[in-house]
Amino acid sequence: DTGVSQDPRHKITKRGQNVTFRCDPISEHNRLYWYRQTLGQGPEFLTYFQNEAQLEKSRLLSDRFSAERPKGSFSTLEIQRTEQGDSAMYLCASSSGQGVRNGYTFGSGTRLTVV
Amino acid sequence: AQSVTQLGSHVSVSEGALVLLRCNYSSSVPPYLFWYVQYPNQGLQLLLKYTSAATLVKGINGFEAEFKKSETSFHLTKPSAHMSDAAEYFCAVSDLGSQGNLIFGKGTKLSVKP
Repeated sequence: DTGVSQDPRHKITKRGQNVTFRCDPISEHNRLYWYRQTLGQGPEFLTYFQNEAQLEKSRLLSDRFSAERPKGSFSTLEIQRTEQGDSAMYLCASSSGQGVRNGYTFGSGTRLTVV
Repeated sequence: AQSVTQLGSHVSVSEGALVLLRCNYSSSVPPYLFWYVQYPNQGLQLLLKYTSAATLVKGINGFEAEFKKSETSFHLTKPSAHMSDAAEYFCAVSDLGSQGNLIFGKGTKLSVKP
């Protein structure tokens, strides 16, 4: 078990381009979360999966954002038509069935810079 | 709505001195509470958690926190700071209206002087 893996670690893209990030959770964890962290702020919740089902989406997740978790394993987060305001660290976390009670294991994040 | 307030965006201590990072929460019922640490360009690592058992919680790296319901506080302490403790620390509370949401404070950056 190597923890939660995120790829890529850094992404620089031009405004208007689409980007996709990948998260591989801890293999026995059935819950997966995406958070966004901007400079000087704490992480903000984006969305949550239990197995392959997306159970919650934050109002921060505009229609340009989409997340999937096919087969309940890895997850992808896609941002279409990126804007400069999308520049942030995107964090993935996973947990077991106890969910929030146990706390989450976070990955190292993908830092997105939109130029 | 629940919220977390971390007093002091930046705290500086000398090596060997007491570390005290403050966290106050707002919740209508006792929540689950967490402290995470983040090193530069890294994700968040769980330091400790309060889940309605003992009010004094011990975590990794010599840190501990005390849940005080009357003060709605969950301050993080360490008796003696080490240079390796320099990082950003986040307090978080479970969102009662959500199954997947932790609400984080804005963080406190800890600097340790030699």
